Amino acid sequence: AQKVTQAQTEISVVEKEDVTLDCVYETRDTTYYLFWYKQPPSGELVFLIRRNSFDEQNEISGRYSWNFQKSTSSFNFTITASQVVDSAVYFCALSPIIQGAQKLVFGQGTRLTINP
Amino acid sequence: DGGITQSPKYLFRKEGQNVTLSCEQNLNHDAMYWYRQDPGQGLRLIYYSQIVNDFQKGDIAEGYSVSREKKESFPLTVTSAQKNPTAFYLCASRSDGNQPQHFGDGTRLSIL
Repeated sequence: AQKVTQAQTEISVVEKEDVTLDCVYETRDTTYYLFWYKQPPSGELVFLIRRNSFDEQNEISGRYSWNFQKSTSSFNFTITASQVVDSAVYFCALSPIIQGAQKLVFGQGTRLTINP
Repeated sequence: DGGITQSPKYLFRKEGQNVTLSCEQNLNHDAMYWYRQDPGQGLRLIYYSQIVNDFQKGDIAEGYSVSREKKESFPLTVTSAQKNPTAFYLCASRSDGNQPQHFGDGTRLSIL
């Protein structure tokens, strides 16, 4: 069975602080994808990143960075110099790499509040 | 603009009534998905379709039905058999391969 755990239900920080959102996953698949999505108050999910299990290189995109560690089954997300616009619910998700359906398994989400 | 359109944004259901949520995409995506989101929880997969005229049950299909008669449309019917339908429903689609899913704005369903 596959499972994604985001242990931090809510995080609140002051603007310009750095913040890390944790994601731990369980899977028996040897190949898989990991995702992060952002859900602003408007409700839609916005795709942020996809990482496959072959590639453990960290990735940086502007103020966002992701740390994938297969040894600890973690895929953590860091926002540097946070801004009020970063306030949202963030979801980590997992799917096996197979032809056909991409059946995402989501974590419970972390509600991030950035205070001015 | 290309995207996924869900309607209505808010929907109310009476006891014993079936209601249908609309999902339309103009991205020419092959696969479409329906998810349910409850407060404080992640998304759970209801149904998905990889091609026209074909669909499969997800993890929580009981009390729901879908159809996929056209590539761009994947409506979800919440039947009276679904005893706890109050939730936020999200539709998603993706193109071939393992491209990421893209989501609509959602429909919030409540019981009168």
